[in-house]
Amino acid sequence: GDSVTQMEGPVTLSEEAFLTINCTYTATGYPSLFWYVQYPGEGLQLLLKATKADDKGSNKGFEATYRKETTSFHLEKGSVQVSDSAVYFCALKMKTSYDKVIFGPGTSLSVIP
Amino acid sequence: EPEVTQTPSHQVTQMGQEVILRCVPISNHLYFYWYRQILGQKVEFLVSFYNNEISEKSEIFDDQFSVERPDGSNFTLKIRSTKLEDSAMYFCASSPAADTQYFGPGTRLTVL
Repeated sequence: GDSVTQMEGPVTLSEEAFLTINCTYTATGYPSLFWYVQYPGEGLQLLLKATKADDKGSNKGFEATYRKETTSFHLEKGSVQVSDSAVYFCALKMKTSYDKVIFGPGTSLSVIP
Repeated sequence: EPEVTQTPSHQVTQMGQEVILRCVPISNHLYFYWYRQILGQKVEFLVSFYNNEISEKSEIFDDQFSVERPDGSNFTLKIRSTKLEDSAMYFCASSPAADTQYFGPGTRLTVL
């Protein structure tokens, strides 16, 4: 079935370091891809999305490019801040009307000053 | 900006009791969902709901679970007889169409 794999971490970085969180997916069709973020004690927030190949989603300095040839959607940020400490979930959703979101296991990021 | 809201934020119950988790989706959305996240594990799909009926449900969503949209704004998840393994964070989500789902802050259910 459809699935998402991502590096599980935890990842610990110093402030202003470069961040990459790898995400790959398996899907029978052409899904939309998402990154959700969960800050400590809070719910899931949509961070960015891409709906077709070569689309780049971006928000709050984070970027991810939909790579169909490598079935990947890696999350990057050039300079992380302490406030970026959270769990990041890569996810996919097929484009039929009521299909579920399928989440990866999440990657915990800690940014230290 | 409109948000999905959920109440209560934390529910503690005894095993075997019934619980109702409540959600208010974003007002113009048409598709509604419940997910759960057992502590430290993946977020798992439970059920989707459209046009006043269940569209899809997972194997987790057995006869102990039910969903309802009792009025034009609320969307509820009922667990009839809670088990210890139902302890989890439950997320409601809604979407306007066949794409992005917006999640609420979650209800943490603790079954003792």
